[in-house]
Amino acid sequence: EAQVTQNPRYLITVTGKKLTVTCSQNMNHEYMSWYRQDPGLGLRQIYYSMNVEVTDKGDVPEGYKVSRKEKRNFPLILESPSPNQTSLYFCASSDGQYYGYTFGSGTRLTVV
Amino acid sequence: KQEVTQIPAALSVPEGENLVLNCSFTDSAIYNLQWFRQDPGKGLTSLLLIQSSQREQTSGRLNASLDKSSGRSTLYIAASQPGDSATYLCAVIDNDMRFGAGTRLTVKP
Repeated sequence: EAQVTQNPRYLITVTGKKLTVTCSQNMNHEYMSWYRQDPGLGLRQIYYSMNVEVTDKGDVPEGYKVSRKEKRNFPLILESPSPNQTSLYFCASSDGQYYGYTFGSGTRLTVV
Repeated sequence: KQEVTQIPAALSVPEGENLVLNCSFTDSAIYNLQWFRQDPGKGLTSLLLIQSSQREQTSGRLNASLDKSSGRSTLYIAASQPGDSATYLCAVIDNDMRFGAGTRLTVKP
């Protein structure tokens, strides 16, 4: 089944403790991106990647890192999480601008 | 910078009604437009994708139209059911993907 898989689905952590949210797609898509969703602010893009080793900032990149060493994986790294990064995170992939996007099921992160 | 607006923000209808959700965008130079459904606290489920060369797409009771020149798209839901209750998101794809804030739909039995 074609899908985008995020892990974990839920995570509660403490301020400053580094964490990684994984994202993997099995559709051989070149384009992958990360979004966060907050009440009243909607979905905002954090980082995106056009291909392996090519990443760029979205609208809200502060406090996040990404890497794209393999085509299928696009992990989101929070080096020093803070409470304002408590949010619902989504990973998405696409075969290009003329095609639709497939989203993962989301990761609900709480930083205390 | 592309801006996407969805109207109304919330909509409550009785079961069986036909309804229209609206999406507008500021820059007509888009590649495609995608409608999603999101249940509370859940992921995004793709409903319909309209490529820039197309005028509409249909899937079951759903029909989405696109008018690039006026920067508008509509999602038409026929014979609404309680199971249609969810938030509907419109996303415009140019060099990026930008979302509207969504329309929260409630269909009452």
